Amino acid sequence: DTAVSQTPKYLVTQMGNDKSIKCEQNLGHDTMYWYKQDSKKFLKIMFSYNNKELIINETVPNRFSPKSPDKAHLNLHINSLELGDSAVYFCASSVDRGFDTQYFGPGTRLTVL
Amino acid sequence: AQSVTQPDIHITVSEGASLELRCNYSYGATPYLFWYVQSPGQGLQLLLKYFSGDTLVQGIKGFEAEFKRSQSSFNLRKPSVHWSDAAEYFCAVGGGGSYIPTFGRGTSLIVHP
Repeated sequence: DTAVSQTPKYLVTQMGNDKSIKCEQNLGHDTMYWYKQDSKKFLKIMFSYNNKELIINETVPNRFSPKSPDKAHLNLHINSLELGDSAVYFCASSVDRGFDTQYFGPGTRLTVL
Repeated sequence: AQSVTQPDIHITVSEGASLELRCNYSYGATPYLFWYVQSPGQGLQLLLKYFSGDTLVQGIKGFEAEFKRSQSSFNLRKPSVHWSDAAEYFCAVGGGGSYIPTFGRGTSLIVHP
């Protein structure tokens, strides 16, 4: 059983388009995260939700909007895609906020042309 | 602010040889420390973590790490590397008001047969 799943796995799109990445966890966790991993493998937190409420919003352009319809799902919508948005985006979840173990999804590789 | 340095971008070892991956952190108080592994095309998986207590921490897959406060280090070790250990390894540090760990830039482990 997949604990944290993301769709799609690969996403290739043109500049200016709008796209969404979906994330679901079946672990019963309360907290979910979005990370961005750049071409040099640097991993940076973008957002964190706890029980559907936004609790962390790092310095991310307004073009990125997370949405959590329920505590098992955290989707990421990106408007007006730019070349610099090309990266691997990881969803993760943990039991609660705090330094609990984070369980990561397989990642979505976004390529903006 | 906390930070993590992984001084080695790549490490190459022969299968069966011992391994040590270096991690140095910067944080004013006792940190929370983590090692994650990322296999090709996969998300990150927690190997081990240190919060308090015994400074030698055992993890999964035969890995261990030792917290040395005097050296601000948390190096990862394995006595005998297997070809399946080839992956990217990330050290992370957390503490204080932000419970999101800060990740290092990763060390790529290459295993020769």
